[in-house]
Amino acid sequence: DTEVTQTPKHLVMGMTNKKSLKCEQHMGHRAMYWYKQKAKKPPELMFVYSYEKLSINESVPSRFSPECPNSSLLNLHLHALQPEDSALYLCASSPLPPTAFNEKLFFGSGTQLSVL
Amino acid sequence: AQTVTQSQPEMSVQEAETVTLSCTYDTSESDYYLFWYKQPPSRQMILVIRQEAYKQQNATENRFSVNFQKAAKSFSLKISDSQLGDAAMYFCAYKGNQFYFGTGTSLTVIP
Repeated sequence: DTEVTQTPKHLVMGMTNKKSLKCEQHMGHRAMYWYKQKAKKPPELMFVYSYEKLSINESVPSRFSPECPNSSLLNLHLHALQPEDSALYLCASSPLPPTAFNEKLFFGSGTQLSVL
Repeated sequence: AQTVTQSQPEMSVQEAETVTLSCTYDTSESDYYLFWYKQPPSRQMILVIRQEAYKQQNATENRFSVNFQKAAKSFSLKISDSQLGDAAMYFCAYKGNQFYFGTGTSLTVIP
């Protein structure tokens, strides 16, 4: 299995809702990432987990809460989001730690989130 | 911080022709990797090609090749025999201590 699987593919939520995004990989990768991407813009790093520990948090608002229950699974819990949080949320994984300069990212297809 | 610049927001190419996408970067690090990622309408970011900075030989993957000029900090992507499936957003990326993405080039392939 060489895929990073993200669910759901699309999500519409109100500003008072609580929802979660899920990301799964079975390639044995020990680093997992959340990126946010606005239309026609590059991905922006949100969080990095290395060996199931949060290693990077790019000053993301607390309404986004990441969780890494095990080495294959990464969640992003959403609560009280704003309309400007509408974006494509991409998950990625890497066989190497984030500090390795030859690290290669494998991306999922993303969750398109709309906040009403 | 490192910066990655893609000066061509949009490019177009006739099917079967060759196109070159430009990328420049700024860094003070001595060891790093450079990548080209493709993002088609399906939204998945797909690795096209990567180049190790300490290798002088330009990387090649089938119809995709790079022109890596380390002194000039330039890393362009050449797509030969362009196909309709090459239409996508292309992001240049730098990896030293962190990943940095360029702003992207939208490539249209004209039948």
